[in-house]
Amino acid sequence: SQKIEQNSEALNIQEGKTATLTCNYTNYSPAYLQWYRQDPGRGPVFLLLIRENEKEKRKERLKVTFDTTLKQSLFHITASQPADSATYLCALTMDSNYQLIWGAGTKLIIKP
Amino acid sequence: NAGVTQTPKFQVLKTGQSMTLQCAQDMNHEYMSWYRQDPGMGLRLIHYSVGAGITDQGEVPNGYNVSRSTTEDFPLRLLSAAPSQTSVYFCASSSPTGNTIYFGEGSWLTVV
Repeated sequence: SQKIEQNSEALNIQEGKTATLTCNYTNYSPAYLQWYRQDPGRGPVFLLLIRENEKEKRKERLKVTFDTTLKQSLFHITASQPADSATYLCALTMDSNYQLIWGAGTKLIIKP
Repeated sequence: NAGVTQTPKFQVLKTGQSMTLQCAQDMNHEYMSWYRQDPGMGLRLIHYSVGAGITDQGEVPNGYNVSRSTTEDFPLRLLSAAPSQTSVYFCASSSPTGNTIYFGEGSWLTVV
């Protein structure tokens, strides 16, 4: 079956360290992949988009990689801060219909 | 700039009651959609619209109706509420290619 997997367990990281979140997928050939941040009681907020022909994308302290051979995307936050604590969602878009397929998200906790 | 506005924020319904979740966007986006978010699961698409007068079913459309009479508004109707519809509902809008999706703040619905 087609699915997207993100770590269901919370990820605890010490402030200042790099946090790395994983998004794995099977049976898809996505046109691009997106990462969103969701705070408790709020809607998801767009962070980064990476296309299938891109290996890496950066935005300030954020970095996303996309390996279509491994069917995996990694999301990195460098110099992490307690304010980075949130749930991070990945979503795939298929070129055929532009609809997004979502992972369940990984909760990130940055400890001071 | 309000973005995507959803109302109500919280609602409790009795089984069998009907109600409408309102959604409005002021970004002149053609594409609008409704998702539900349940614990441990990714966002699931209920219905979507690619423009005024055009709607289509998503992954979990049963028990819900939508209409799109204007570009700005995309209400979601629960026809006869069931406990299985207890969830958090998010309205979203984007450009036709869906590169960046803007979400509302969510509507927490409890059906008793």
